[in-house]
Amino acid sequence: DADVTQTPRNRITKTGKRIMLECSQTKGHDRMYWYRQDPGLGLRLIYYSFDVKDINKGEISDGYSVSRQAQAKFSLSLESAIPNQTALYFCATSDPGGAGGADEQFFGPGTRLTVL
Amino acid sequence: AQSVTQLDSQVPVFEEAPVELRCNYSSSVSVYLFWYVQYPNQGLQLLLKYLSGSTLVKGINGFEAEFNKSQTSFHLRKPSVHISDTAEYFCAVSESGNTGKLIFGQGTTLQVKP
Repeated sequence: DADVTQTPRNRITKTGKRIMLECSQTKGHDRMYWYRQDPGLGLRLIYYSFDVKDINKGEISDGYSVSRQAQAKFSLSLESAIPNQTALYFCATSDPGGAGGADEQFFGPGTRLTVL
Repeated sequence: AQSVTQLDSQVPVFEEAPVELRCNYSSSVSVYLFWYVQYPNQGLQLLLKYLSGSTLVKGINGFEAEFNKSQTSFHLRKPSVHISDTAEYFCAVSESGNTGKLIFGQGTTLQVKP
């Protein structure tokens, strides 16, 4: 079984709808991240969480919210989806076992979201 | 603020030829540097990382990268590529001693032709 799973894998929705993307991990990591990938822009950080009570905005948090329900679960919500939120979304986890900033991130398979 | 620039959006190369994917970064503090690979329809996985010490870093699948502080570069190289190396490659940077947040480059698509 995959260590980092994302559901759904694909979603098509309409403008104005609320949608939630879910991420679960079995790696036992405290740190979790949400990114979006757009062609030619690479990955950009939306939100990150270092434990259940520690949630932080990333580079592009406007229009998104998150919930860290447990160490293993981190959900991303679009309260009112708009077409420019069409993208590939990735969840990642890491363990700060080594020097700060050097931990490897482990990525889920991604969720392809289309907002019409 | 940090930034990462990958100088080539696409790199076509024939099988068994050498390849170099270029990455330059900008930061006012010490950084850690990473290369991730994304195979079609998959998430990213770590190829290699530079933390400190030797500037030549070896990673998985025969890839290596060299950290050049004076040129603020971290170019990825492989002496002989295979069809299976076709993927998108991302360079990333994080501040040493910080939070583990990564800043990614725009990505380079490596297309290996038979």
